[in-house]
Amino acid sequence: SSELTQDPAVSVALGQTVRITCQGDSLRSYYASWSQQKPGQAPVLVMYGENNRPSGIPDRFSGSSSGNTASLTITGAQAEDEADYYCNSRNSSTNHRVFGGGTKLTVL
Amino acid sequence: EVQLVESGGDLVQTGGSLRLACAASGFTFSTCGINWVRQAPGKGLEWVSYISSSSSTIYYADSVKGRFTISRDNAKNSLYLQMNSLRAEDTAVYYCARDHADSVVAFDIWGHGTMVTVSS
Repeated sequence: SSELTQDPAVSVALGQTVRITCQGDSLRSYYASWSQQKPGQAPVLVMYGENNRPSGIPDRFSGSSSGNTASLTITGAQAEDEADYYCNSRNSSTNHRVFGGGTKLTVL
Repeated sequence: EVQLVESGGDLVQTGGSLRLACAASGFTFSTCGINWVRQAPGKGLEWVSYISSSSSTIYYADSVKGRFTISRDNAKNSLYLQMNSLRAEDTAVYYCARDHADSVVAFDIWGHGTMVTVSS
């Protein structure tokens, strides 16, 4: 079982706002990072730290955190945002990295 | 171009061994922590192992500890994963992923992956 919990699937209408959440005790110690994975492709980092986007990631992606929950918000979802999204963090006891189970985002 | 390229994936019998490699280019490999992450067919991402820039710190997931060995050769800009006593549940795409310089959590560069299939 994963130490980080994500909803398996979320859907959003084109142009609307969607929030993808991640819960786990490790998030009380570390900010989550978020990766996007499209079918047949390697993951791509889309968010890290308190609310940091790597170069090339659209500003419609934003991140937030409160207590043991981290969120990735897409404001004005586009068709190309349809993908699997994984949160990850670090276990403060073992220093092992941990991934959430992933959320499949469908853009309607 | 900053990139990681994995190789070495293959079909191997249960109980067999395999060595994966990850070639880095476009950045100073010797200053970066690197990880192996795997993804079983149709499943999510699973972190496998981490090695620090100088190889002084190494971690393994419980699922592979004692069977897998991570190593690196900074002179060759290469990362390795020696996998022994392979099991069916090790079947997955194996990615190498670089630690983000500004985060103790994030992976900022991923390779394209190499497929390992373990079958009897």
